[in-house]
Amino acid sequence: DAKTTQPNSMESNEEEPVHLPCNHSTISGTDYIHWYRQLPSQGPEYVIHGLTSNVNNRMASLAIAEDRKSSTLILHRATLRDAAVYYCILNSGGSNYKLTFGKGTLLTVNP
Amino acid sequence: KAGVTQTPRYLIKTRGQQVTLSCSPISGHRSVSWYQQTPGQGLQFLFEYFSETQRNKGNFPGRFSGRQFSNSRSEMNVSTLELGDSALYLCASRPSGTGGEKLFFGSGTQLSVL
Repeated sequence: DAKTTQPNSMESNEEEPVHLPCNHSTISGTDYIHWYRQLPSQGPEYVIHGLTSNVNNRMASLAIAEDRKSSTLILHRATLRDAAVYYCILNSGGSNYKLTFGKGTLLTVNP
Repeated sequence: KAGVTQTPRYLIKTRGQQVTLSCSPISGHRSVSWYQQTPGQGLQFLFEYFSETQRNKGNFPGRFSGRQFSNSRSEMNVSTLELGDSALYLCASRPSGTGGEKLFFGSGTQLSVL
């Protein structure tokens, strides 16, 4: 599986936007970019995914670089509930579906 | 719809014993995956089942096995437990077709091996 690189930790203030970066320079043409997050004492939670175009949903936005070698998860207004470990994962989908989680980014949100 | 349900929530076993963990997927989801999470290794894929057949397997020893029933419920078994098997075991389900790229995780079973 292609590898992703994320900062170990980031800090934000409540109600401010947060930009979580992810580098994936060896991404293949069929790899989707997935983001999951894990709150303390819970299983991971799907956030968003995309292939080439930027994506928006009620939780976040995903900005994908034109060459697809990097992407950014954007939380428009961070809340205390957004404090979690955020994982950026590549997956080509289909029947061979397994997610390879890295260390992720620990996001701290200050009140 | 109810989410992915895992039982039990906590489990304590001793070395050499075996353990069975249970997972009920979201209604209508036919794919069930299992992951192991430890502080040292992070989240690692164990296996995936679809329609009672193992479709994908991670790099774990044969002591780790699973099965899926006709109602899509799944069980995971670990035999001859070792101290290093202490971990949070997470089950995830996903739908077929549209939306099948999203995994829905349960809260996990925390296994402690003494």
